[in-house]
Amino acid sequence: EAGVAQSPRYKIIEKRQSVAFWCNPISGHATLYWYQQILGQGPKLLIQFQNNGVVDDSQLPKDRFSAERLKGVDSTLKIQPAKLEDSAVYLCASSFILAAYNEQFFGPGTRLTVL
Amino acid sequence: GENVEQHPSTLSVQEGDSAVIKCTYSDSASNYFPWYKQELGKRPQLIIDIRSNVGEKKDQRIAVTLNKTAKHFSLHITETQPEDSAVYFCAASRKAAGNKLTFGGGTRVLVKP
Repeated sequence: EAGVAQSPRYKIIEKRQSVAFWCNPISGHATLYWYQQILGQGPKLLIQFQNNGVVDDSQLPKDRFSAERLKGVDSTLKIQPAKLEDSAVYLCASSFILAAYNEQFFGPGTRLTVL
Repeated sequence: GENVEQHPSTLSVQEGDSAVIKCTYSDSASNYFPWYKQELGKRPQLIIDIRSNVGEKKDQRIAVTLNKTAKHFSLHITETQPEDSAVYFCAASRKAAGNKLTFGGGTRVLVKP
């Protein structure tokens, strides 16, 4: 089966600019996750969707980050305005259903550099 | 919320030796503990997982043990090979928290030929 797709793979912007990332989960996967992985650290969950509804966004900096999954398939994550500390890899993951023991499949990530 | 600590942060072993990575978690209600391997510049991939009703699980050269009382779990890699070189992450989740994964800080493993 095709894996989780993300674009772009790399993005360089200046601070205070805006940026958007796109994710297409594995077909049929109802649950979608966005993680932020700062260099040398483990991924940190930003937001979790079940279909087009938000399950958890407690760690999303809502003053500058937003995410949507309008039709319950693709998702976009936006940062506006970006700060230097937003430099990281943004990983999208999906799982079949919101259930215990459900493997999360990760996309290749988008590496963001904020100058 | 859940907090996962992982040690060591780096681990260098000779090819053929064993490698052990340890993690502790804070939420006694966590019931699922996956381990991910991330090669340089690539996506994390699940290599093994364990549920809270099991104490040990093996898959060829990889094994994971869980001690619920002490709230810690470990990854054991035997007969290490150069292709085992990567960063390994442990994680924990519980159903009541929407199965949100909380990751440890990662262990960089280097297998020297």
